[in-house]
Amino acid sequence: EDQVTQSPEALRLQEGESSSLNCSYTVSGLRGLFWYRQDPGKGPEFLFTLYSAGEEKEKERLKATLTKKESFLHITAPKPEDSATYLCAVQDYGGSQGNLIFGKGTKLSVKP
Amino acid sequence: EAQVTQNPRYLITVTGKKLTVTCSQNMNHEYMSWYRQDPGLGLRQIYYSMNVEVTDKGDVPEGYKVSRKEKRNFPLILESPSPNQTSLYFCASSTIAGVYEQYFGPGTRLTVT
Repeated sequence: EDQVTQSPEALRLQEGESSSLNCSYTVSGLRGLFWYRQDPGKGPEFLFTLYSAGEEKEKERLKATLTKKESFLHITAPKPEDSATYLCAVQDYGGSQGNLIFGKGTKLSVKP
Repeated sequence: EAQVTQNPRYLITVTGKKLTVTCSQNMNHEYMSWYRQDPGLGLRQIYYSMNVEVTDKGDVPEGYKVSRKEKRNFPLILESPSPNQTSLYFCASSTIAGVYEQYFGPGTRLTVT
């Protein structure tokens, strides 16, 4: 059973068309939830860390939110350069401190 | 420039021939980790190290070894590679205190025939 599930697998948007990516998780206790961006052929790049329900973080056109069961990455008025795969990862209090579990990602394409 | 470097970036090898993928970071990070990324399976953790001489298994450690003799280096060793270890490998590092903002290397694409 997947502990981290991301949806949709792929998302196509027109430039300026706002939307949200979802990351649902199942853990015994959430130590932290992380969002990364990955461009083709490159390593993931850190975006946000969220620790507790109700927390929100923003960076340019991106805003991450957290509830007790899921996290959303909201993209406002996206641009073509926002096209990438977005990865969610969690750290579980029930697991080892250094163990991170990633979802399979959402591939975002933004067309001009 | 703060970075994580991996070598080689591309490697084609044959079944059973021992190989090492090196990983080095210049940020004085305590934590380092290895991942493999496969289509449809996402990013999976192989091994991680909280500090020098401290290593732990991740979710898919079978067939791999690691060592952490120095803070900056965390090599991944495949003693007898098999075709199912064909994958894209990433090394990452971060500080332990505070957020787990991991810095990832550029990746090593390994093909085992």
